[in-house]
Amino acid sequence: AQTVTQSQPEMSVQEAETVTLSCTYDTSESDYYLFWYKQPPSRQMILVIRQEAYKQQNATENRFSVNFQKAAKSFSLKISDSQLGDAAMYFCAYRSDSGNTPLVFGKGTRLSVIA
Amino acid sequence: DGGITQSPKYLFRKEGQNVTLSCEQNLNHDAMYWYRQDPGQGLRLIYYSQIVNDFQKGDIAEGYSVSREKKESFPLTVTSAQKNPTAFYLCASSMAGGYNEQFFGPGTRLTVL
Repeated sequence: AQTVTQSQPEMSVQEAETVTLSCTYDTSESDYYLFWYKQPPSRQMILVIRQEAYKQQNATENRFSVNFQKAAKSFSLKISDSQLGDAAMYFCAYRSDSGNTPLVFGKGTRLSVIA
Repeated sequence: DGGITQSPKYLFRKEGQNVTLSCEQNLNHDAMYWYRQDPGQGLRLIYYSQIVNDFQKGDIAEGYSVSREKKESFPLTVTSAQKNPTAFYLCASSMAGGYNEQFFGPGTRLTVL
């Protein structure tokens, strides 16, 4: 079974600075997808960014980018120019490339943004 | 507007009672999922359904039941057999294919009195 580990329960960053959230996963599969979801205080889950395992190029979405290291099974999220609205729980998730399989989530990292 | 709705937003249950959480989607997604969220535990899978009239147990299915009679609906029943049901429950749906994101509803907070 696949597992996802987020080793930082809490992180903080100064407004306008850069922060990196860590995620590692364990799988024996070669084809899969990785996701970062954000859960603000409203508790609505929002997709931040996704990465296909077969792509070497790291995904980027505006201020959000990932560092995907397939051999190391690492998938970190970098947030640049942090804003107060970035304060939230961030979940790393894994999904197999077979049908409609569920996401496997890490336990999350709570990010605080300091003004 | 397309999306996922969950009701009620807050639910209170007395010990020994069964309660049903509603989840409806109008995104025409084949797959639907139920997750439970507890502090420090992330999201844990309860049940999922890849197609109408079919569903599979997740990691923590004991004390829960589901049905999938319609594509749009995937209700979750929390039975009296669930020992610690107080939690936040999230419903999600997705299109076929691993690349496609799961869309989440706003959640239901269940409290056992």
